Amino acid sequence: QVQLVDSGGGVVQPGRSLRLSCAASGFSFSSYNIHWVRQAPGKGLEWVAVISYDGDNKYYADSVKGRLTISRDKSKNTLYLQMNSLRAEDTAVYYCAREKPDVYYTFDYWGQGTLVTVSS
Amino acid sequence: DIQMTQSPSSLSASVGDRVTISCRASQSISTFLNWYQQRPGKAPKLLIFAASSLQSGVPSRFSGSGSGTDFTLTISSLQPEDFATYFCQQSYSTPRTFGLGTKVEIK
Repeated sequence: QVQLVDSGGGVVQPGRSLRLSCAASGFSFSSYNIHWVRQAPGKGLEWVAVISYDGDNKYYADSVKGRLTISRDKSKNTLYLQMNSLRAEDTAVYYCAREKPDVYYTFDYWGQGTLVTVSS
Repeated sequence: DIQMTQSPSSLSASVGDRVTISCRASQSISTFLNWYQQRPGKAPKLLIFAASSLQSGVPSRFSGSGSGTDFTLTISSLQPEDFATYFCQQSYSTPRTFGLGTKVEIK
């Protein structure tokens, strides 16, 4: 069955770095666009970034552009989010989400989320 | 960016009630509208895609309608497991913006 497992979260000081991972299984990882979505404590969902199925195209929310980098390793069936120059406002649960391969670009499967806390 | 506005932000209802949640886009998005359910401490779950298509495995008491800028999620007979927060999302353009959510609570 399709499974996405998020990991790598933790407590980090402002200005430091962290790398999140999303391990995929149960489907052809190299055929799907994958997204990162985050949710600050008690808040709504915020789209963060997307990477195309082949890794050639990446798009970011303005709030993270230049600080967060999405990447993927098809040999490991894993998605990454490199987070640099972290700020307090980056504190959130981070979810990876698979995009359905149809014209409606829906997120049909999500990871369980990993919590990032940016605090001194 | 396309702004998504949900209403109400919260509602109280009883088991068996019919519940309607609205979502409005700041510009026309055709039917590129999705609905997700999120229970506390869990990841969002896809309910409806393309404004009115039921995701596989989702109970038929959930339905969606609308096109252009105005959309509705309806739960025909609320069940105990439906008490959760519901989010709309547009997939017409990037960034893929979400509404702020509607929390459905027990009356």
